[in-house]
Amino acid sequence: GAVVSQHPSRVICKSGTSVKIECRSLDFQATTMFWYRQFPKQSLMLMATSNEGSKATYEQGVEKDKFLINHASLTLSTLTVTSAHPEDSSFYICSARPPTGNDSPLHFGNGTRLTVT
Amino acid sequence: AQSVTQPDIHITVSEGASLELRCNYSYGATPYLFWYVQSPGQGLQLLLKYFSGDTLVQGIKGFEAEFKRSQSSFNLRKPSVHWSDAAEYFCAASITGGGNKLTFGTGTQLKVEL
Repeated sequence: GAVVSQHPSRVICKSGTSVKIECRSLDFQATTMFWYRQFPKQSLMLMATSNEGSKATYEQGVEKDKFLINHASLTLSTLTVTSAHPEDSSFYICSARPPTGNDSPLHFGNGTRLTVT
Repeated sequence: AQSVTQPDIHITVSEGASLELRCNYSYGATPYLFWYVQSPGQGLQLLLKYFSGDTLVQGIKGFEAEFKRSQSSFNLRKPSVHWSDAAEYFCAASITGGGNKLTFGTGTQLKVEL
């Protein structure tokens, strides 16, 4: 089945530094990937849609300069949290959909737990 | 506005007992509906989905869900719960079949007592 791999699974960084999270589709090509954020005890909120070869589309209220998204290839999207602050600590999950038709559902990575100290 | 509601934040059941997790949606038209399960610190795994046709859909791990248009509901059920089913369950909806932009409910945390 379709597999989406996310790396790293956990990262701890100091306030003010930047952190890059990778999302890879292992056995399919994904022209579009999606980045979600999940706060403790809350649901997932869509942050942005990553488009291969073009700019990402950000949801309302998400700072594009803070959450840099690059979708340089059909199998890799990266999310960089720039100048991280403790309030950026969260669980970030990416997802992608195999191009097997409009009804194929999203597949999610295992997520990245970011802790900013 | 489009929304998905899961009324129960926590549910505790005994192993072997039946389970029903509630989900209601509010959309202009019938959306595509999904149930995902999330184990601690993990991503989401798709349990089942409803696009059209038979309103009772079967999923993985013995789960099923029934779509009821009149109630705007898509409740998840399992006849006999196993301890390994303890996890967080999310109902989600999308206006597209691929679920590209999913709206999630707030989740229901399932605890299974042995």
